Amino acid sequence: EPEVTQTPSHQVTQMGQEVILRCVPISNHLYFYWYRQILGQKVEFLVSFYNNEISEKSEIFDDQFSVERPDGSNFTLKIRSTKLEDSAMYFCASNPALGEFLNEQFFGPGTRLTVL
Amino acid sequence: GESVGLHLPTLSVQEGDNSIINCAYSNSASDYFIWYKQESGKGPQFIIDIRSNMDKRQGQRVTVLLNKTVKHLSLQIAATQPGDSAVYFCAENIYGNKLVFGAGTILRVKS
Repeated sequence: EPEVTQTPSHQVTQMGQEVILRCVPISNHLYFYWYRQILGQKVEFLVSFYNNEISEKSEIFDDQFSVERPDGSNFTLKIRSTKLEDSAMYFCASNPALGEFLNEQFFGPGTRLTVL
Repeated sequence: GESVGLHLPTLSVQEGDNSIINCAYSNSASDYFIWYKQESGKGPQFIIDIRSNMDKRQGQRVTVLLNKTVKHLSLQIAATQPGDSAVYFCAENIYGNKLVFGAGTILRVKS
């Protein structure tokens, strides 16, 4: 069964450093998302991406964040200058946006980001 | 300093009993609702969904009830098993794009 994959599973970085979190969505899916979950809290929407551009973003997704689909396979989240409060689990999700799974989002296992 | 997370409500049930997990949502415009299960260290896993034009939907051992009048959603798990232990989140799909998650409920199944 196809699934969303994410790498790395755990990333440790120093405050102020840039990080890139990588995701491979399910093939043929059309919508891609990033969510984050601070330890012990609920999952929060960051950004959605469709047709090679951002379709919606939350207040959390400020100028320090960017997304890219560089090669038709990967979907990346970049944080330019990490802050302590960026420490969280980051989940990638994808959605086929058609058929019986029109609205279902399939989540990856997450990347745990720790900013020191 | 270390941030303090939300204190999640916890439901403890005996193996074999039925579980009911509740959720209140806020946006009357939400047209689609989903229940997700999250096990420790993993991403949210789809359980069941329901559209706003329905008030009940059944799956395998699970039933979702939607009460639009009071903006309330519930997940019923029949014959709860130890493998059902996890955090359960309801989510609203607003305008067909992003998901807005609820705070979550911890389900603990006692053998």
